[in-house]
Amino acid sequence: DAGVTQSPTHLIKTRGQQVTLRCSPKSGHDTVSWYQQALGQGPQFIFQYYEEEERQRGNFPDRFSGHQFPNYSSELNVNALLLGDSALYLCASSPVSSYNEQFFGPGTRLTVL
Amino acid sequence: AQSVTQLDSQVPVFEEAPVELRCNYSSSVSVYLFWYVQYPNQGLQLLLKYLSGSTLVKGINGFEAEFNKSQTSFHLRKPSVHISDTAEYFCAVTPGGATNKLIFGTGTLLAVQP
Repeated sequence: DAGVTQSPTHLIKTRGQQVTLRCSPKSGHDTVSWYQQALGQGPQFIFQYYEEEERQRGNFPDRFSGHQFPNYSSELNVNALLLGDSALYLCASSPVSSYNEQFFGPGTRLTVL
Repeated sequence: AQSVTQLDSQVPVFEEAPVELRCNYSSSVSVYLFWYVQYPNQGLQLLLKYLSGSTLVKGINGFEAEFNKSQTSFHLRKPSVHISDTAEYFCAVTPGGATNKLIFGTGTLLAVQP
């Protein structure tokens, strides 16, 4: 059983560009959350998707947007990239029967130059 | 609003020695508590969780944690560490209810030395 997968593994962009990160949840999970982990910090909650809708959002600007597809996979989009957006972006999925436990993917390392 | 404090940014310890990683949280409502481990260049792996019931929680790799409501703490312990335990450890809280978003502490680097 594959766990949570994310692509790409690494990404380098320049300021002002746009980026899309992808996540496939663990089998049987219907809820996907995204977190940003800056170097030396704990992960910060960006938003959560359930039934293809954004259910909750953290303190991130509108430049950060997302989408969930009918197969529960998800995308994170960031527009007008800033140097401060450089971070590890983690996707986590939750099982249907136990919404309090989240399973994390390996992350996408985004570097903005 | 909930918050999590991990006072120790780094804890050096010798192999086979015991270790305690401290975590305190602030919340006016009941919370669920978690410890995650992050190995270099990897995502987060759940070590253990407290949802309700017994305040002593046992997790994977020989780790355990004790929930103390009066002190709002959830310290992680291991009686004997191994070199392979070297990693970043994150304490997290979720308010439960309709959301399971996680609020993380800043992490503690456990550095096990031979």
